[in-house]
Amino acid sequence: AQSVSQHNHHVILSEAASLELGCNYSYGGTVNLFWYVQYPGQHLQLLLKYFSGDPLVKGIKGFEAEFIKSKFSFNLRKPSVQWSDTAEYFCAVQGAWGRRALTFGSGTRLQVQP
Amino acid sequence: SQTIHQWPATLVQPVGSPLSLECTVEGTSNPNLYWYRQAAGRGLQLLFYSVGIGQISSEVPQNLSASRPQDRQFILSSKKLLLSDSGFYLCAWRPSGQSNQPQHFGDGTRLSIL
Repeated sequence: AQSVSQHNHHVILSEAASLELGCNYSYGGTVNLFWYVQYPGQHLQLLLKYFSGDPLVKGIKGFEAEFIKSKFSFNLRKPSVQWSDTAEYFCAVQGAWGRRALTFGSGTRLQVQP
Repeated sequence: SQTIHQWPATLVQPVGSPLSLECTVEGTSNPNLYWYRQAAGRGLQLLFYSVGIGQISSEVPQNLSASRPQDRQFILSSKKLLLSDSGFYLCAWRPSGQSNQPQHFGDGTRLSIL
């Protein structure tokens, strides 16, 4: 069965600090990988996705993530966070075949202090 | 463009009462539809998915059921709610037959059981 681990449950950063949120997954097959973000009071939005090709993917708002197959990881990064990045971030894995439902990590709450 | 509607946004129900949450998708046909639940402090868990009218797959044993009476309508129900049914319920859709497409989420329903 698929599983996703997000190591950081709550991260507090100052503006302009660099961000890296860890995500490791367990799945015995080809996967698609996602990061979703949920800003306070808003719905879940897609931040970026990896299906194939370049393992370094760039998303919206300056976020990027690197897929390292050997480590089963898909860490999210941003060089310089802003107060508006305060949100909850979810890593998700989707099997490349079958029902294509998402398996989510437990989420990381990011708080950026001005 | 495609949109997904989910209602109500917030619901407070007594233990033992019935439940009906509705989700509709517009601007697409024959989507794959999903119900997820996010319990407090936990990630999103897949509850049900559907690849077509009347076709429902349940991922975890529970007190809930799902139905898809129309192509773009997905309903989450319960005959008698339990305290443990409290949580945040999200409906999602993705295009069927397209291998690499992310899921798109509704705004969610926050369900509190008293």
